[in-house]
Amino acid sequence: NAGVTQTPKFQVLKTGQSMTLQCAQDMNHNSMYWYRQDPGMGLRLIYYSASEGTTDKGEVPNGYNVSRLNKREFSLRLESAAPSQTSVYFCASGTGYTEAFFGQGTRLTVV
Amino acid sequence: GIQVEQSPPDLILQEGANSTLRCNFSDSVNNLQWFHQNPWGQLINLFYIPSGTKQNGRLSATTVATERYSLLYISSSQTTDSGVYFCAVERSYNTDKLIFGTGTRLQVFP
Repeated sequence: NAGVTQTPKFQVLKTGQSMTLQCAQDMNHNSMYWYRQDPGMGLRLIYYSASEGTTDKGEVPNGYNVSRLNKREFSLRLESAAPSQTSVYFCASGTGYTEAFFGQGTRLTVV
Repeated sequence: GIQVEQSPPDLILQEGANSTLRCNFSDSVNNLQWFHQNPWGQLINLFYIPSGTKQNGRLSATTVATERYSLLYISSSQTTDSGVYFCAVERSYNTDKLIFGTGTRLQVFP
């Protein structure tokens, strides 16, 4: 029972490089989320998707794009990475009216 | 947007002590969860509690939705309880935005 799976777990990028963080859930949830967590701080919502085919901005969307590929998968793309995007990224899924479950996180460093 | 405030920001306890963590929110909600983030960064679901009271072992939680707050009780604390406790809420009119509070950092010493 995998739950929410994120890849990769760790990544180092150079400024200006692009990358995609992958997230997949096997709980048949409609809603999926991407958060970032900076050192010593809480989680801030980047983007969310209430259902397949829909995405909406969260609190800190600038510099990111997302794709809800199907019901299971929700990817986060950094087109041109900046040092300010160094953070731990969490993906989550839920139904909107019940518990949300989180992946293990991706630790991203931009140098 | 909805504001979520947690108190206290930091808490230091000796093993065996009890504690109460508070989460205040600024709008009516249909989803409230408590999470524990362990020292390795993993987010662990503790309670889904938009209203009422639940208990799970040494932990219990109460949400008074009409007064817009939730409490997390930890009894007989253990060193493994250390970490950061977050509450997260979603507003009642189904925005599908799960918004986190700033957290309470708990350190339990033997």
